Amino acid sequence: DADVTQTPRNRITKTGKRIMLECSQTKGHDRMYWYRQDPGLGLRLIYYSFDVKDINKGEISDGYSVSRQAQAKFSLSLESAIPNQTALYFCATSDYRRSSDTQYFGPGTRLTVL
Amino acid sequence: AQTVTQSQPEMSVQEAETVTLSCTYDTSENNYYLFWYKQPPSRQMILVIRQEAYKQQNATENRFSVNFQKAAKSFSLKISDSQLGDTAMYFCAFMTFNTGTASKLTFGTGTRLQVTL
Repeated sequence: DADVTQTPRNRITKTGKRIMLECSQTKGHDRMYWYRQDPGLGLRLIYYSFDVKDINKGEISDGYSVSRQAQAKFSLSLESAIPNQTALYFCATSDYRRSSDTQYFGPGTRLTVL
Repeated sequence: AQTVTQSQPEMSVQEAETVTLSCTYDTSENNYYLFWYKQPPSRQMILVIRQEAYKQQNATENRFSVNFQKAAKSFSLKISDSQLGDTAMYFCAFMTFNTGTASKLTFGTGTRLQVTL
């Protein structure tokens, strides 16, 4: 089984709809991240979480919110989706103590907002 | 702020040949990590290799090796004996080493590598 899973893998929605992307991990890592990938721009950090009680904004957090429900679960929400949020979204995890904070990625969720 | 530059948008190499992907970065930090990630058509982001800035020895992982030049802020990836399965987008990434906060990755824009017969 994959260590980092994301659901759904693909989603098409309409402008104005609320969308939640979910991430789960079995690696036992304490740190989790959400990134967005756009063509030609690489990956950009949306939010990150140091532990269950810690949530931090990344470089492009506007229009997004997150919830860290447990150490193993980190959800990304788009409260009112807009077309320029069409992108590939990645969740990642890391653990400073065991792997020097190297980040391991989930398989990605392709989101299309019409 | 840190920046990562990959100046080669696309490259091509024949199977069994060697190819080098370039990456430069800009930072005022002294302690950091550098990474190469691979993204095949399946879109999964896969860690290829990691280099700690305090280590002078270049990292190697099987057919993958790096040439880390700290003074020049250069971090190139060499793929030896290229295989069709190496066809992918390759991203260079930089991470500052923060013990007190979650470390953040800064990515380059990627180099698309095509391995041909």
